[in-house]
Amino acid sequence: SQKIEQNSEALNIQEGKTATLTCNYTNYSPAYLQWYRQDPGRGPVFLLLIRENEKEKRKERLKVTFDTTLKQSLFHITASQPADSATYLCALGDQTGANNLFFGTGTRLTVIP
Amino acid sequence: EAQVTQNPRYLITVTGKKLTVTCSQNMNHEYMSWYRQDPGLGLRQIYYSMNVEVTDKGDVPEGYKVSRKEKRNFPLILESPSPNQTSLYFCASGLNRVQETQYFGPGTRLLVL
Repeated sequence: SQKIEQNSEALNIQEGKTATLTCNYTNYSPAYLQWYRQDPGRGPVFLLLIRENEKEKRKERLKVTFDTTLKQSLFHITASQPADSATYLCALGDQTGANNLFFGTGTRLTVIP
Repeated sequence: EAQVTQNPRYLITVTGKKLTVTCSQNMNHEYMSWYRQDPGLGLRQIYYSMNVEVTDKGDVPEGYKVSRKEKRNFPLILESPSPNQTSLYFCASGLNRVQETQYFGPGTRLLVL
């Protein structure tokens, strides 16, 4: 079965630096990949979607890359701020017609002022 | 305000006592789904629905039932809850298919004694 790994459980970074989170997967060929933000006690909030034929997607200070050869997605937050502190989840899905979305366990990002 | 609501937010019950967690969305979304979130396992899909009267199993459907009689509502039913169903549950909705942006509810924390 598919396996999704997010680089680490927790990542601490200094304010103003670029945070880079990793999502690796095995035994799966996703057609698209999504990134979500989750704050404590709240539901995930959708951030970005990138499809298998796209290399990179940007939205304001966020950038996502998708490398189907490496089976990896990188999620970057530039000029990080304390308000960016949260858990970030990646999720993968395919085009088979099934509407399953497979989530990683998340990386908890803390931006230190 | 566009939102997904869930009730109750917190629930403590005993083994075998049937319960229903309600989910409602006001965005006229066709697609709705239920997830459970457990430490170390991430979000896992329980059931999803493509439209009224159309439901299908996700990754972990055992012990759960759903119904979709109206577009806006997608209740999750636990006919005979067991302690291994203690978890944090999220309902989500989207325009169509899981590929699109999904909007998550605030979550329901369930404890089965």
